[in-house]
Amino acid sequence: GQQVMQIPQYQHVQEGEDFTTYCNSSTTLSNIQWYKQRPGGHPVFLIQLVKSGEVKKQKRLTFQFGEAKKNSSLHITATQTTDVGTYFCAGRDSGGSYIPTFGRGTSLIVHP
Amino acid sequence: SAVISQKPSRDICQRGTSLTIQCQVDSQVTMMFWYRQQPGQSLTLIATANQGSEATYESGFVIDKFPISRPNLTFSTLTVSNLSPEDSSIYLCSTWTGPNYGYTFGSGTRLTVV
Repeated sequence: GQQVMQIPQYQHVQEGEDFTTYCNSSTTLSNIQWYKQRPGGHPVFLIQLVKSGEVKKQKRLTFQFGEAKKNSSLHITATQTTDVGTYFCAGRDSGGSYIPTFGRGTSLIVHP
Repeated sequence: SAVISQKPSRDICQRGTSLTIQCQVDSQVTMMFWYRQQPGQSLTLIATANQGSEATYESGFVIDKFPISRPNLTFSTLTVSNLSPEDSSIYLCSTWTGPNYGYTFGSGTRLTVV
């Protein structure tokens, strides 16, 4: 079955440093979504990418979808303490279930 | 987007008992999804619930352990039966709310089995 791998599992940064998390799928994806889960909270949708090579920005967050539609990344510029949380990717297999598979998540810890 | 009210938010249960989790959506939705999230782990899909039909369970999850009801298009329950400490986890309900809003999740139920 489809596997979605996400690295790193944890990332400690000093406030103001950049952060990137990477997501790789074992199969080609029809789309990929990104979610943020604050400590003690529930996942909250950030964005969906659909097109090969797509790049979308939300303020300091930049999302990319690979040309082969098998990988994706989320980059945060100049992290702030409000960025703390776990970031999940969720990839929908282009040839399989319409329900996405979640990556394991990357926990971002920002030190002031 | 939809808003999902989930309760209880947390519970401590004795082993061998059951816990029923409720999710109420503020609009009609076709499918609802139930997930389990163990501490520090990803979300694992338990089952998909359609109104008027039996839920579809993922590999490793069975109806006897996780019975689901979906009496109408705004409500669903998940029961975790015959509890054991291994069932201690966070349980989340969810629904798809479109490409601009993605999957909307309930606030989660933190279950501790003692």
